[in-house]
Amino acid sequence: GQQLNQSPQSMFIQEGEDVSMNCTSSSIFNTWLWYKQDPGEGPVLLIALYKAGELTSNGRLTAQFGITRKDSFLNISASIPSDVGIYFCAGHSNTGNQFYFGTGTSLTVIP
Amino acid sequence: NAGVTQTPKFRILKIGQSMTLQCTQDMNHNYMYWYRQDPGMGLKLIYYSVGAGITDKGEVPNGYNVSRSTTEDFPLRLELAAPSQTSVYFCASSYSIRTGTFYEQYFGPGTRLTVT
Repeated sequence: GQQLNQSPQSMFIQEGEDVSMNCTSSSIFNTWLWYKQDPGEGPVLLIALYKAGELTSNGRLTAQFGITRKDSFLNISASIPSDVGIYFCAGHSNTGNQFYFGTGTSLTVIP
Repeated sequence: NAGVTQTPKFRILKIGQSMTLQCTQDMNHNYMYWYRQDPGMGLKLIYYSVGAGITDKGEVPNGYNVSRSTTEDFPLRLELAAPSQTSVYFCASSYSIRTGTFYEQYFGPGTRLTVT
């Protein structure tokens, strides 16, 4: 199945720094979702996007639905130690019945 | 509102045994999904359901079966367990009101299965 290209694969940052990651697809999507997964846990939905150009925030997290509808971006401002985890994107096109997932970005925050 | 719940949390099976992974959602979502996640890998779709009585294969359906008799429940059956089925299994649900528009997908906490 289609897999979304997510970058970077991993990030090591200092506490307080901002973080940016993105996801690209070869197909046009109608829905973009961003998740965080902690070790041994299920993915937790952070932000959902439904319109091209849409910018949505959830606390220190901000995500954008790309204008081309083939990409999405997630930013985390002023990172803290509990931001550590794996972040991944998911997208859904206007055809078919399944979501496609990114390969994940592993975030490490150094206190 | 518990969201998506899964049982058991952990299970060890011997080769050739069978088991059912349970999944329940209380959000009245029409779509439900089963994924497996191998260490360091992404999520792979096993089966999904678009509503009670309707199921379809995903990317990796071999060795699994599902049923959807109610909106809330979507059990995953493993027949003749094999070591290759050692993985973490996640159930998820989402809502679609018309073709092409899918809303948030929520995941359960997962079932960690080891087949030895």
